[in-house]
Amino acid sequence: SQTIHQWPATLVQPVGSPLSLECTVEGTSNPNLYWYRQAAGRGLQLLFYSVGIGQISSEVPQNLSASRPQDRQFILSSKKLLLSDSGFYLCAWSDTGPLNEKLFFGSGTQLSVL
Amino acid sequence: GESVGLHLPTLSVQEGDNSIINCAYSNSASDYFIWYKQESGKGPQFIIDIRSNMDKRQGQRVTVLLNKTVKHLSLQIAATQPGDSAVYFCAENIGSTNAGKSTFGDGTTLTVKP
Repeated sequence: SQTIHQWPATLVQPVGSPLSLECTVEGTSNPNLYWYRQAAGRGLQLLFYSVGIGQISSEVPQNLSASRPQDRQFILSSKKLLLSDSGFYLCAWSDTGPLNEKLFFGSGTQLSVL
Repeated sequence: GESVGLHLPTLSVQEGDNSIINCAYSNSASDYFIWYKQESGKGPQFIIDIRSNMDKRQGQRVTVLLNKTVKHLSLQIAATQPGDSAVYFCAENIGSTNAGKSTFGDGTTLTVKP
C-alpha cells in the first residue's frame, strides 16, 4: 500500500531563517506531487506541483521554492522566511494518467514564523 | 474566476441524525468533485468523489449529490457518529489533465453532539 511521510510535524522558525520541509512517498512510482498551504480555518491553496523529477510548477508567486531530487521525494524550501509564511503545509500525491485527480495527503507541518 | 464555496461554515448535529453539508461551485467546466474530511491537526482524507456524468454516488454511510443545473453538490452522512466530527472540504477539478490541481472551498466544521 502507498504511504506518504511528511516532517517535521511542527516547526518554529525566526524571521529570516531558512526552511526545508521534506516529503516522501512509498509504494508507488512516478507520482504527481504537491505542496499545499492552509491558513487557519481556511481551505487549501496549491503552492507547487511536480509531474516528474526536476519538474516543478509554481502556482502562486511567493517566498518559497520546491524541488524534486528523486522520484518520490518532494522538498519545500525558503532562503529567508517571512512572517506571512506561517501556516499549515501539506504534501500530497496523486497517481498519473487518467482519473488521477484524487489526492492523498501527508499529516502536515505546522510552521510558525516568529 | 472559479470559486468553490460552502454554504455554512459550521454544522452541529445530534449523534445518530443525518448530516448534510452543502457546497456551491461557479465554474461550469468543472467535471470532477471530491469531498475530503480533515480532523484536527491532520491532513485531509478522501471520502468520496463524483464525476459530472453522474448525479449521485453512494459510499459507506455517505452519499454525494451533484446538481449541475445550479452548480451545487452536497455530502450526506447517515447516522452521524462522534468520529465524524471534522472539517469537510469540497474540491472541484477541471479535466483529467489538471491532475490534482483541485480548487478547495473553505470547509464546513461538523460537530456531533452526543
